[in-house]
Amino acid sequence: DAGITQSPRHKVTETGTPVTLRCHQTENHRYMYWYRQDPGHGLRLIHYSYGVKDTDKGEVSDGYSVSRSKTEDFLLTLESATSSQTSVYFCAIRLQGDEQYFGPGTRLTVT
Amino acid sequence: GQNIDQPTEMTATEGAIVQINCTYQTSGFNGLFWYQQHAGEAPTFLSYNVLDGLEEKGRFSSFLSRSKGYSYLLLKELQMKDSASYLCALGAGNNRKLIWGLGTSLAVNP
Repeated sequence: DAGITQSPRHKVTETGTPVTLRCHQTENHRYMYWYRQDPGHGLRLIHYSYGVKDTDKGEVSDGYSVSRSKTEDFLLTLESATSSQTSVYFCAIRLQGDEQYFGPGTRLTVT
Repeated sequence: GQNIDQPTEMTATEGAIVQINCTYQTSGFNGLFWYQQHAGEAPTFLSYNVLDGLEEKGRFSSFLSRSKGYSYLLLKELQMKDSASYLCALGAGNNRKLIWGLGTSLAVNP
């Protein structure tokens, strides 16, 4: 199994505070992704990365930034959290067969 | 666009066969993926179709017809543990990105 972890797994934060979510993989995969999943909207791509320091926006990137300074880590930052960013966040890696393998998710609540 | 349509909910009986459909409106994609997602968990990969036809994998099979803009996931010998959401996704840009349907919530009843 591909090794992928997310931290924290749960977080409650207040509106206006910065939040960083971490995704860590152990197998040197080039592509990494951040999604959010909300009822009625399904999985939506926030940002993705195709290598160290190489990132691109997805369909819902406003209010989010990412960084990838090492192959194994992909960070998602909410500069100033809003209630609309309450969601479940999934990180994923792209495997050799092109399928994406997902981390366990982070449940974020912004109050 | 690449609108992807799936039924929102389906119910079926343990031991039966169920077909979950996915239709889309796009001319360009690399392949079509199916994922399973149990409540409160991450999606997990089930199958991938790049050519027209049926791909069989145990109790699960997936079919693709590019000319008809249509795919389905067939689940045989349903078990209670098959109660989950089933997500259809199109691969774009050499499968660098996936475009997701909203998923079909399947309830398997005894």
